[in-house]
Amino acid sequence: KAGVTQTPRYLIKTRGQQVTLSCSPISGHRSVSWYQQTPGQGLQFLFEYFSETQRNKGNFPGRFSGRQFSNSRSEMNVSTLELGDSALYLCASSPTPGQANEKLFFGSGTQLSVL
Amino acid sequence: AQKITQTQPGMFVQEKEAVTLDCTYDTSDPSYGLFWYKQPSSGEMIFLIYQGSYDQQNATEGRYSLNFQKARKSANLVISASQLGDSAMYFCAMREGLAQGAQKLVFGQGTRLTINP
Repeated sequence: KAGVTQTPRYLIKTRGQQVTLSCSPISGHRSVSWYQQTPGQGLQFLFEYFSETQRNKGNFPGRFSGRQFSNSRSEMNVSTLELGDSALYLCASSPTPGQANEKLFFGSGTQLSVL
Repeated sequence: AQKITQTQPGMFVQEKEAVTLDCTYDTSDPSYGLFWYKQPSSGEMIFLIYQGSYDQQNATEGRYSLNFQKARKSANLVISASQLGDSAMYFCAMREGLAQGAQKLVFGQGTRLTINP
């Protein structure tokens, strides 16, 4: 069974541009969540989607948005990029949300560099 | 306030020794879950072990065990017989709001473990 796939693996953008990151969950998984990882702030929750609906959102500005498609694939978008948006963006999937011991399966992430 | 605290930024251990990675947490929710993940240099977060707040026994998964001390709000990871491949970042994480079906994980800052041959 293929794992969580994130594309692209690396991305370089300049300030003010926008970017779209893609995540394909494990087959059969319907819940997708996104995390931002930086050396200074560590791992922070961005948002979570289930059945094409955003269930939870972290404390990030409106420039960060996402969506989920009917096949459970998810995209996140960052508009008007800032230098501080440089980070590893991790996507995680799970079969369904809410099970107490349900572990999240993570992808290898997209490393975004904003110049 | 920090919800998850990992006080060891880095640890160096000799191969085949056991190692304990510390994690303390803070929550007023009676229903929560605690996780440990490993992150090698490739970036992928790999699930290691889970402990539920109502679990009576400490969780074990192969060479990994979790020393859960609920009253002290402590969930230390123990790796027995360490191997060179264990060198990585290790993150402790907590899921709160289980009754509401929350999926969000809160992570600690991590501990970089280096296994020396």
